[in-house]
Amino acid sequence: EPEVTQTPSHQVTQMGQEVILRCVPISNHLYFYWYRQILGQKVEFLVSFYNNEISEKSEIFDDQFSVERPDGSNFTLKIRSTKLEDSAMYFCASEPSLNNEQFFGPGTRLTVL
Amino acid sequence: AQKITQTQPGMFVQEKEAVTLDCTYDTSDQSYGLFWYKQPSSGEMIFLIYQGSYDEQNATEGRYSLNFQKARKSANLVISASQLGDSAMYFCAMRDWSGGGADGLTFGKGTHLIIQP
Repeated sequence: EPEVTQTPSHQVTQMGQEVILRCVPISNHLYFYWYRQILGQKVEFLVSFYNNEISEKSEIFDDQFSVERPDGSNFTLKIRSTKLEDSAMYFCASEPSLNNEQFFGPGTRLTVL
Repeated sequence: AQKITQTQPGMFVQEKEAVTLDCTYDTSDQSYGLFWYKQPSSGEMIFLIYQGSYDEQNATEGRYSLNFQKARKSANLVISASQLGDSAMYFCAMRDWSGGGADGLTFGKGTHLIIQP
């Protein structure tokens, strides 16, 4: 069964460094999402992406964040200058069309020291 | 703004019993969807069940059913014949279809369900 994959599974970085989190959505899906989950808290929406541009974004998704689909398969989330409070699990999700189920990847745990 | 409330931070249930996880929601939109996800200790998010606001019948998926009471704005998850493998965090989430864009899901804080043998 096709699935969303994410790399790396765990990334440790120093405060102020740039990180890129990678996701490979399911191949025939059209909508892509990033969410984050701070340890012990609820999952929060960051951004959605469709047709090579951002569709919706939350208040959390400020200028420090960017998303890109550099080729036909990868979907990336970049954090330009990481802060301690960026430490969280980051989930990528994809959806074949709107009004459908979002399929989540296994997540990348980001630890900012 | 949308809001999801899950009032049970944790629940202990005996194996083979049925369990109901509560979820209430708040939205001003008429067209929306309600979702339940399971998050085991390994961390992945597993989709369980979906209910559309215009669906007249309660959704069912195997041992999972969604008790949808639109007037009360509740969307409780019922797990029948619970199993040890059901131990996990359970998140209720919603999404409205009114904006036209690819809106993200709004999640509740979750319920930690522990099934005891």
